[in-house]
Amino acid sequence: AQTVTQSQPEMSVQEAETVTLSCTYDTSENNYYLFWYKQPPSRQMILVIRQEAYKQQNATENRFSVNFQKAAKSFSLKISDSQLGDTAMYFCASSSFGNEKLTFGTGTRLTIIP
Amino acid sequence: NAGVTQTPKFQVLKTGQSMTLQCAQDMNHEYMSWYRQDPGMGLRLIHYSVGAGITDQGEVPNGYNVSRSTTEDFPLRLLSAAPSQTSVYFCASSWEGEAGWHQYFGPGTRLTVL
Repeated sequence: AQTVTQSQPEMSVQEAETVTLSCTYDTSENNYYLFWYKQPPSRQMILVIRQEAYKQQNATENRFSVNFQKAAKSFSLKISDSQLGDTAMYFCASSSFGNEKLTFGTGTRLTIIP
Repeated sequence: NAGVTQTPKFQVLKTGQSMTLQCAQDMNHEYMSWYRQDPGMGLRLIHYSVGAGITDQGEVPNGYNVSRSTTEDFPLRLLSAAPSQTSVYFCASSWEGEAGWHQYFGPGTRLTVL
């Protein structure tokens, strides 16, 4: 079984600053995927970024990047040049290789302050 | 494509009532799933289906039934609603690409059981 832990229930940062959201996970498998999802007030689940565990290179998507530390089982999300539209709940999630079921963390509520 | 659609968006039930949450997708995905989201607990998998006629239990299946008669539809049934089933319910459909599984979430249904 996989577990995902997000230890920061809430965070806030000034607009245009950089913020890092933490996530740790536990799995006994060698191949797996890690995800960050954004949930704005509209409630829609939006995929921000994904990382394949067998790839050592950290994934990036525009202002979003991850710091994937496989040995430490850590998967943090960095948001650069934060914008007001980044205000949302952010969920870290994992799935096994070849298995589409997602295991989610409890989320971090991020507020971008104008 | 409409993607993943869910009806209704909101629902209030009394304890003991039954209802069906509808989920449909038009992307011809084989895999579909239901999650519930409770405050402070992230999303948890209720049931999933890997194709028409095949369903299986997730992490929190008690009190819910599912069936999958077509690729497009995956309804979730509450036979006798309880206050503990007050939650936001998300349906998702998935497909497997070269970089692994891609999940598409519906907009969610907020259910309140009095």
